[in-house]
Amino acid sequence: DTAVSQTPKYLVTQMGNDKSIKCEQNLGHDTMYWYKQDSKKFLKIMFSYNNKELIINETVPNRFSPKSPDKAHLNLHINSLELGDSAVYFCASSLSHRVGYEQYFGPGTRLTVT
Amino acid sequence: AQTVTQSQPEMSVQEAETVTLSCTYDTSESDYYLFWYKQPPSRQMILVIRQEAYKQQNATENRFSVNFQKAAKSFSLKISDSQLGDAAMYFCASEGAGSYQLTFGKGTKLSVIP
Repeated sequence: DTAVSQTPKYLVTQMGNDKSIKCEQNLGHDTMYWYKQDSKKFLKIMFSYNNKELIINETVPNRFSPKSPDKAHLNLHINSLELGDSAVYFCASSLSHRVGYEQYFGPGTRLTVT
Repeated sequence: AQTVTQSQPEMSVQEAETVTLSCTYDTSESDYYLFWYKQPPSRQMILVIRQEAYKQQNATENRFSVNFQKAAKSFSLKISDSQLGDAAMYFCASEGAGSYQLTFGKGTKLSVIP
């Protein structure tokens, strides 16, 4: 059984388009995250939701909008895609937002903007 | 604010040998955790080991152990009896009690030579 799943795994699109990445976890966790991993493998938090409420909103362009319809899902919508948005996007979840809990990561979505 | 520094972009080890990956960190939090995550070529991030800052005893998970030097703000990972499956990017990360987020280092790419 997949713990944290993301769709799609690969996404190739043109500049200016709008796209969404979906994430689902079946672990019963309260907290979900989106990370961006750039071409140099640097991993940085973008957003975090706890029980559907936004608790972390890092300095990310307004073109990125997360949506959490329920505790098990956290989707990422990106408007007006730019070349610099090309990266691997990881969804993760943890039992709690409190310190020390393991984060379980999805397989990543490789976004390529041409 | 937290920073995590991994000074070794790449390392290699012979199969069955031992290797140590370095990590230093800085945090203003008194309550924090430190983690090592592994990212194999499949991209899936997996927790290797975690250490609570209040615990003096170094964490151990099978062939993986850490050397936690709190005063020096150092948190190195030792992999014993290296196996081909250990080849991956290894990320050191910290999480402070008030931050609700992981801060990652830039990673160390470990190659295992048969």
